[in-house]
Amino acid sequence: DVKVTQSSRYLVKRTGEKVFLECVQDMDHENMFWYRQDPGLGLRLIYFSYDVKMKEKGDIPEGYSVSREKKERFSLILESASTNQTSMYLCASRRQGGGSPLHFGNGTRLTVT
Amino acid sequence: AQKVTQAQTEISVVEKEDVTLDCVYETRDTTYYLFWYKQPPSGELVFLIRRNSFDEQNEISGRYSWNFQKSTSSFNFTITASQVVDSAVYFCALLTGTASKLTFGTGTRLQVTL
Repeated sequence: DVKVTQSSRYLVKRTGEKVFLECVQDMDHENMFWYRQDPGLGLRLIYFSYDVKMKEKGDIPEGYSVSREKKERFSLILESASTNQTSMYLCASRRQGGGSPLHFGNGTRLTVT
Repeated sequence: AQKVTQAQTEISVVEKEDVTLDCVYETRDTTYYLFWYKQPPSGELVFLIRRNSFDEQNEISGRYSWNFQKSTSSFNFTITASQVVDSAVYFCALLTGTASKLTFGTGTRLQVTL
């Protein structure tokens, strides 16, 4: 089974802090994704990566950046956390092409105070 | 642009009732894939099914069945004889042939009570 692991289940940070959310997958998937989930809005794509060192903006990239130095790891960075970034963050990975499904981690619930 | 609409925000049923979750999609691509995911209270999204645009056969897996109709751009999900363990948020998603990213609907929360 594919395993996508997010480093923290819950995080509480202060406004203005730099925040790192880490995600690791163990199936050698080329594509990795960061979504945020908010009530009534579903899942919205922040950034995704086709492969190592490659990244693409999703639908809501403002206030975020990402890093993919190794194939198995995809990090989401909040340069200066704000209260409107309080949300559930979900990482996912998939094999490139052919309609392969996304496999998700358990999520990180981030609260910015 | 791609869009997925799940008009039902929340559905409540009593155990053993049948329930259908609606999903309507929009895309101009002729090659695409449709997905359903389940998100139980624990939070992790679980992949349920994938359908490609060239395969309109309905699918049944135990108590779950899916009805894909290109004529109405719909991919509906039916749970027969619902159980309390089916309580979750269900998401429909669309992947087009030109992109690697999924577009999700806003989800339908299903509550099954005794």
